[in-house]
Amino acid sequence: SQKIEQNSEALNIQEGKTATLTCNYTNYSPAYLQWYRQDPGRGPVFLLLIRENEKEKRKERLKVTFDTTLKQSLFHITASQPADSATYLCAPSRAGAGSYQLTFGKGTKLSVIP
Amino acid sequence: GAGVSQSPSNKVTEKGKDVELRCDPISGHTALYWYRQSLGQGLEFLIYFQGNSAPDKSGLPSDRFSAERTGGSVSTLTIQRTQQEDSAVYLCASSSPMAGELFFGEGSRLTVL
Repeated sequence: SQKIEQNSEALNIQEGKTATLTCNYTNYSPAYLQWYRQDPGRGPVFLLLIRENEKEKRKERLKVTFDTTLKQSLFHITASQPADSATYLCAPSRAGAGSYQLTFGKGTKLSVIP
Repeated sequence: GAGVSQSPSNKVTEKGKDVELRCDPISGHTALYWYRQSLGQGLEFLIYFQGNSAPDKSGLPSDRFSAERTGGSVSTLTIQRTQQEDSAVYLCASSSPMAGELFFGEGSRLTVL
């Protein structure tokens, strides 16, 4: 069955460092993969989308990589700030039936310590 | 409004009662999704509407759950004979046909006593 694993439930890093979050998926080949941010009591907010033919995508301090051979995506936040503290969700598209729906990982809760 | 609107934001009900949760998507978005998020869990896909196509109901956990989308816009998720395990945040999202990202509402928190 299709499975998504995000590296850890929680990640604590020092302000100014680079945070790296990992998303691994098994048993399918997504056409694209998205990353979302979710704050407590709020709905997820879209951050970045990367397609299967793209190796890397950047947006300001964010960088996402997509390795379809390893079946892995890495999400980096450079020069992290306390305001980056949130839960980050990985969402590869579901494969099959021509329907590009997303399956979400359980998320990694990032805490940036001042 | 500019975003996805969900109501009610909070609902407390007694076991066995029926509840309706409403989602008003972003205007022009043809795709609409319902997800469920239980405490400490990831988002669980429930149902997907795309335009006038038959909805994908593959994520609905039981026949007590149903959803409809009227006129390609507003959607209602109905849970009949609620159980305590139905307690969760129900999130609605919409997307446009030209982009893949989902726009989520703030969710409806359901508590079944």
